[in-house]
Amino acid sequence: AQSVTQLGSHVSVSEGALVLLRCNYSSSVPPYLFWYVQYPNQGLQLLLKYTSAATLVKGINGFEAEFKKSETSFHLTKPSAHMSDAAEYFCAVSEVLTGNQFYFGTGTSLTVIP
Amino acid sequence: NAGVTQTPKFRVLKTGQSMTLLCAQDMNHEYMYWYRQDPGMGLRLIHYSVGEGTTAKGEVPDGYNVSRLKKQNFLLGLESAAPSQTSVYFCASSPSGGIIEQFFGPGTRLTVL
Repeated sequence: AQSVTQLGSHVSVSEGALVLLRCNYSSSVPPYLFWYVQYPNQGLQLLLKYTSAATLVKGINGFEAEFKKSETSFHLTKPSAHMSDAAEYFCAVSEVLTGNQFYFGTGTSLTVIP
Repeated sequence: NAGVTQTPKFRVLKTGQSMTLLCAQDMNHEYMYWYRQDPGMGLRLIHYSVGEGTTAKGEVPDGYNVSRLKKQNFLLGLESAAPSQTSVYFCASSPSGGIIEQFFGPGTRLTVL
């Protein structure tokens, strides 16, 4: 089974600073990769996804992520943090061959300091 | 479209009681999923379904049962609730597996006393 590692359960950045949230996956076969955001007391919303078309993926709200096969990573970035970015972020993978299940990381809580 | 809806939003149970959580989707999706979310553990898959009449176990199925009698509904049952089942439960649906993302409901917060 896949495993997903999100380094840093809590990340704090100043408003306007770079946001970097880390995600590494375990599969030797590159999976499909997703980033979701969860605002307080809400369900998960898709930010962006990688499906092998391009290694740099742009998502909503100015976020982007780069797939690096050599590092088995899919880190999420945003050049300039906004107060409204404060939320929980989850990385998820889906196996290419079976695709029936998603495997989620444990999440990273992002705090934006004014 | 309402998307994915979950009923109820909140519930408090006593140990040993039973209940059913309802998930409904109006997007004609084939795949449906039940997750639980616990602090520091992310989302863990309980059961899932790849079509009407089918169900399969996920990562943490013990203590739960599911049914998918209609394509649009996916029910999660707790036969004898335990405090360890206190959690937030999310339902999700997807038109297919793999490349297509999952669409999530708003969640059900369950407390078992």
